[in-house]
Amino acid sequence: SQQGEEDPQALSIQEGENATMNCSYKTSINNLQWYRQNSGRGLVHLILIRSNEREKHSGRLRVTLDTSKKSSSLLITASRAADTASYFCATRGTNAGKSTFGDGTTLTVKP
Amino acid sequence: EPEVTQTPSHQVTQMGQEVILRCVPISNHLYFYWYRQILGQKVEFLVSFYNNEISEKSEIFDDQFSVERPDGSNFTLKIRSTKLEDSAMYFCASKGTTYEQYFGPGTRLTVT
Repeated sequence: SQQGEEDPQALSIQEGENATMNCSYKTSINNLQWYRQNSGRGLVHLILIRSNEREKHSGRLRVTLDTSKKSSSLLITASRAADTASYFCATRGTNAGKSTFGDGTTLTVKP
Repeated sequence: EPEVTQTPSHQVTQMGQEVILRCVPISNHLYFYWYRQILGQKVEFLVSFYNNEISEKSEIFDDQFSVERPDGSNFTLKIRSTKLEDSAMYFCASKGTTYEQYFGPGTRLTVT
């Protein structure tokens, strides 16, 4: 079984709508980060949530973490065409440990 | 804002050749990592490095791979004898005293 599985695999919405992506994981974590990746490019850190936190906000991003369900969600509000990218969650078992990535959600925002 | 940099952005090499991928982590960071992403697949952990030694490595990181921090600023990944299946995007990451792990833009390695 995989750590950090995102769903849906692909999401297509209209500009202005909200986009919600989910991530589930199997083992206990220290923290969870969400990253964005434009096609063929690098990973951009979006937001980190620690295991003792339940919700964090950053601009149009809202992340929740439910450690009892071993799941996290990323909400992008008022989406823009420029938000089109792949979004990955990555979990870490310890503060300095490796990140374990999911398969990602490909978000397409239509203008 | 400080960022992780990687060179080259694209490296083409022939099978069996040695390659060195270079990374400059964020200057006050202490933890360093290499990951790879085969086209269309998920990002996979290769190795982590702290206090001048490997702290963890994956099964991908076999004897063909090595890492080094030669001069206190660079962090390198060497592949001794490249194979076709080593073709991937290689990402360096670093972490300081906070929780966030920051990634570089990646080096696309193409083995022909």
